[in-house]
Formats: sequence, structure tokens, C-alpha cells
Amino acid sequence: AQTVTQSQPEMSVQEAETVTLSCTYDTSESDYYLFWYKQPPSRQMILVIRQEAYKQQNATENRFSVNFQKAAKSFSLKISDSQLGDAAMYFCALSNPYRDDKIIFGKGTRLHILP
Amino acid sequence: DSGVTQTPKHLITATGQRVTLRCSPRSGDLSVYWYQQSLDQGLQFLIQYYNGEERAKGNILERFSAQQFPDLHSELNLSSLELGDSALYFCASSVGEGVEDTQYFGPGTRLTVL
Repeated sequence: AQTVTQSQPEMSVQEAETVTLSCTYDTSESDYYLFWYKQPPSRQMILVIRQEAYKQQNATENRFSVNFQKAAKSFSLKISDSQLGDAAMYFCALSNPYRDDKIIFGKGTRLHILP
Repeated sequence: DSGVTQTPKHLITATGQRVTLRCSPRSGDLSVYWYQQSLDQGLQFLIQYYNGEERAKGNILERFSAQQFPDLHSELNLSSLELGDSALYFCASSVGEGVEDTQYFGPGTRLTVL
């Protein structure tokens, strides 16, 4: 079975600082995708960033970047220059096109931004 | 606004009842995914349709069923409801059927079973 583990239920960071959210996963597949989704208080799920497993280069989207360690099955999210609007629940997700359980989510990390 | 609409926003019903949740995908998107988010189970993938056909099935109970219509809107039917079915139900849409396609989520339907 595929699993996604987010070991930090909650984290806090000072505004303008950098924070890293951890995610580890397990899969026997070689072809898969990893995602970070953000769920603000509005409950809308928003894609933050994604990484294709076959790509060695870490994905970057503005202030958001990932550290993808394929051998270690680790996929952490770094948020630079944290802003109040970054306060949300963050979900790590693993997706495999060839499995019925097409996408698996972690339990989430609640991120608080301290002004 | 993702462009995905879901109705109703809130639904309160009793155990044993049946409800239908509706989702309209973004214009041009052919895939619709359904998810359930509950405190106990977290966020779970239920089912995917692509251009009217079922493409993948996740942790969807037999009491639940879904379909995608020719106009590409989708409905999730939940029957013989139990207290544990109370959750936030999301649909998401994407252009293609692959997991590499970005999924755009709707605002969700909050179901409360009393």
C-alpha cells in the first residue's frame, strides 16, 4: 500500500521567516507525482506545487520550493518570506497513474503565521 | 475562484436518507474527481470520471455512487446515510485524465447526518 506521512501536525513561523514542512511517503511504483496542497480557512483546496518523480530538479513556485529526495522518499515544502496569507492546512499528496487509489493524502500540517 | 461549482454548500439530513451532491467542472475540463474529507479519515479519493466514463475508484463505499453526464457535470449519490458519512465532499476537475494534470477543487459540500 502507498502511504504519506506528515509528522508535524502543527507548526508556527514568524512573518517574513522561512519554514519547512516535512513529508515522507512510501510507494513501490517508480512513476508517480507528488503534490503540496493548501487549505486555508475558506476550506478551498489549492495546489501549491508539484513534482514529477522522474525529474531530479526540485520544483519551485515563487516563494514555495520543495526538497525532493527520491531515495529517502522525502518531499518537504519550504516557504520563504512567510506571509499572513500562508496560514493554512498543508497537505502532502502522492499520486500514481496506474493505481486505483489514484491519490493519497497525508493528514496535514496546520501552519500558523505569527505577526 | 477555481471555476468549479458545487451545490449545495450545506446539507443536513437524517440517518438512512439519500442525498445527491452536484458538481460542475471548469469549462473545458473533462475529468471530475470526488473526495471526502472527514476528521476521522482525513482526505480520501473516492472516484474519478473522464468524459462520462469511470476511470478510477478509490475508497468509495458501495452505498455511494457517482456518474458524469453528457454535459460533463457530475453527481455523487449517497444512500442509507450513517452518522460517519458526515464530512466535507469536494469535487475537482482537470483537463485530462492523468494525475499529472492540475486538479482544480470546488468549494465543497458540507454534509451533516443527524
